[in-house]
Amino acid sequence: EIVLTQSPDFQSVAPKETVTITCRASQSIGAALHWYQQKPDQSPKLLIKYASQSFSGVPSRFSGSGSGTDFTLTISSLEAEDAATYYCHQTGSLPWTFGQGTKVEIK
Amino acid sequence: EVQLVESGGGLVQPGGSLRLSCAASGFTFSSFSRYNMLWVRQAPGKGLEWVSYIDWTASTTYYAESVRGRFTISRDNAKNSLYLQMSSLRAEDTALYYCASPNTVGATTPDYWGQGTLVTVSS
Repeated sequence: EIVLTQSPDFQSVAPKETVTITCRASQSIGAALHWYQQKPDQSPKLLIKYASQSFSGVPSRFSGSGSGTDFTLTISSLEAEDAATYYCHQTGSLPWTFGQGTKVEIK
Repeated sequence: EVQLVESGGGLVQPGGSLRLSCAASGFTFSSFSRYNMLWVRQAPGKGLEWVSYIDWTASTTYYAESVRGRFTISRDNAKNSLYLQMSSLRAEDTALYYCASPNTVGATTPDYWGQGTLVTVSS
């Protein structure tokens, strides 16, 4: 099973600053890595698929990069509405797995 | 816009069974019958866990190790519905169960998610 390790687990960031979340896979998964945002009491929403493809309707301040085992989600110019938990998810190898999540708080 | 509405959750005793349903609508360009589908769960206060996948023909299914042999995924394309039959339920199966779908025919990523249905396994 591929283990996805996100860092950090928690981040407190001021508005307009940049947030960087990393996701490291225990084995290479190519570009089969996706990023989700989950706000309290809501279902997850897809932000980025296949490492760097922005999903329809997602604000341009969200971007993704990486391949193989190391991936990054970047939120540029953080807004108050970005307070949420972010998860990475791999579909490169069964069983598909999720990272443990990174909670982003707005200072 | 794709809409996924789960139902069937509830309180069940350990060892019991439950059948979850997901009603799907709003797929553009192609019908529900052309889309692969998934179930993902989230235990209270915990992270996301992929549970199961079924392809559009229902000929290919995958399961997480934690549910294999106890859960069965199925679909009825005539009813635009996805199901998860759960048996031999354990306390650790307590979670919010989400139905999810890709936004592209042939894809396997959970792009769209329902609101979830809560399953509580407790005596």
